[in-house]
Amino acid sequence: RKEVEQDPGPFNVPEGATVAFNCTYSNSASQSFFWYRQDCRKEPKLLMSVYSSGNEDGRFTAQLNRASQYISLLIRDSKLSDSATYLCVVRLASGGSYIPTFGRGTSLIVHP
Amino acid sequence: DGGITQSPKYLFRKEGQNVTLSCEQNLNHDAMYWYRQDPGQGLRLIYYSQIVNDFQKGDIAEGYSVSREKKESFPLTVTSAQKNPTAFYLCASSMSRRGGTDTQYFGPGTRLTVL
Repeated sequence: RKEVEQDPGPFNVPEGATVAFNCTYSNSASQSFFWYRQDCRKEPKLLMSVYSSGNEDGRFTAQLNRASQYISLLIRDSKLSDSATYLCVVRLASGGSYIPTFGRGTSLIVHP
Repeated sequence: DGGITQSPKYLFRKEGQNVTLSCEQNLNHDAMYWYRQDPGQGLRLIYYSQIVNDFQKGDIAEGYSVSREKKESFPLTVTSAQKNPTAFYLCASSMSRRGGTDTQYFGPGTRLTVL
């Protein structure tokens, strides 16, 4: 079983739609969680960290469910510019370091 | 401007040649990382360094080597022992080596093609 799993998609949605992605992780000792956005042939950029209590940034909401070992990203009122790949990142403590593990990413296509 | 630079953006190499990818950061970050990304795949960790003169192997270190002689620099050498080196290589850095909640910042990447 992979350490971090994501549905690769693509998720094809119309503008204005609400879309949600999940990411599951296998190691219950995972410490911190993030969502990154990656545009085609570009580097990943931090979208948001994921806190235990859940957090919101404009149209984006991230949730963490430690009991079921998954994190989620909800995008409301999708824009064309939201089209990208969304990477889930989980950091696991190992010998005093926090090693990040990336999921394969979920592709989102927002169409007019 | 603060950030991470990688050079070159595109690199072509003949089979059997070693090649070194540059990564420089002026963010005063302690930790630096090298990842490889293949089409349709996530990022896989090659090497990371939490402090100068120290580095650790990641999940796919075979065929690669690194050095960390200066805090700002973390060059990656792709050796001829790497069987499938054609990929997108990304360098990243982060502030804290123990925080766990620190954000990784990425350079623009180098696309390596082996001819």
